[in-house]
Amino acid sequence: DTEVTQTPKHLVMGMTNKKSLKCEQHMGHRAMYWYKQKAKKPPELMFVYSYEKLSINESVPSRFSPECPNSSLLNLHLHALQPEDSALYLCASSQGGTVSNQPQHFGDGTRLSIL
Amino acid sequence: GNSVTQMEGPVTLSEEAFLTINCTYTATGYPSLFWYVQYPGEGLQLLLKATKADDKGSNKGFEATYRKETTSFHLEKGSVQVSDSAVYFCALSDQSSGSARQLTFGSGTQLTVLP
Repeated sequence: DTEVTQTPKHLVMGMTNKKSLKCEQHMGHRAMYWYKQKAKKPPELMFVYSYEKLSINESVPSRFSPECPNSSLLNLHLHALQPEDSALYLCASSQGGTVSNQPQHFGDGTRLSIL
Repeated sequence: GNSVTQMEGPVTLSEEAFLTINCTYTATGYPSLFWYVQYPGEGLQLLLKATKADDKGSNKGFEATYRKETTSFHLEKGSVQVSDSAVYFCALSDQSSGSARQLTFGSGTQLTVLP
């Protein structure tokens, strides 16, 4: 069992749909991350929230919209996605702050398929 | 910028064989180093970490030593099991402009262990 919980585990949506991915952690971590992972590739960073504020946006298209309602929750709102957006979307959290030796803890991801 | 280079896979071994997966890095500062493992259909799990030169991280029979002089963090296990079949990612954590640390991943190495 992972300490970062992602829902749903699988999502199939059309290009005109609007859906949201959810991520939750109760470890008291103050940094949360969204990654996109294609098959046989390492995760690619999309967004970083630090103390509930967006601190990094890696030039992600606006059809992906992150939200951090509180320190335990992270959402990724999806709208008008393209077939190439099909991937595994991973959420992670870490203690944040200036200590670099704290690892990121990952959820099991949401496998997204765009029809 | 920072980068991580991993030996190319896939790697196929027989059960009880010795495993080495090479990892070298380039970083401007003094990064922390990590090995993550991803089993099929799951997210990334932290396998081990090292935060300063000459530190040895170990977990579940896996070991890696932070070698500053050779900028390496090779993963080793003396006797692999079928259950070790997974993708292994080497990663480093660096000082970032915000208050959350970013991970730089290697390309990943697919390990298959045959009975």
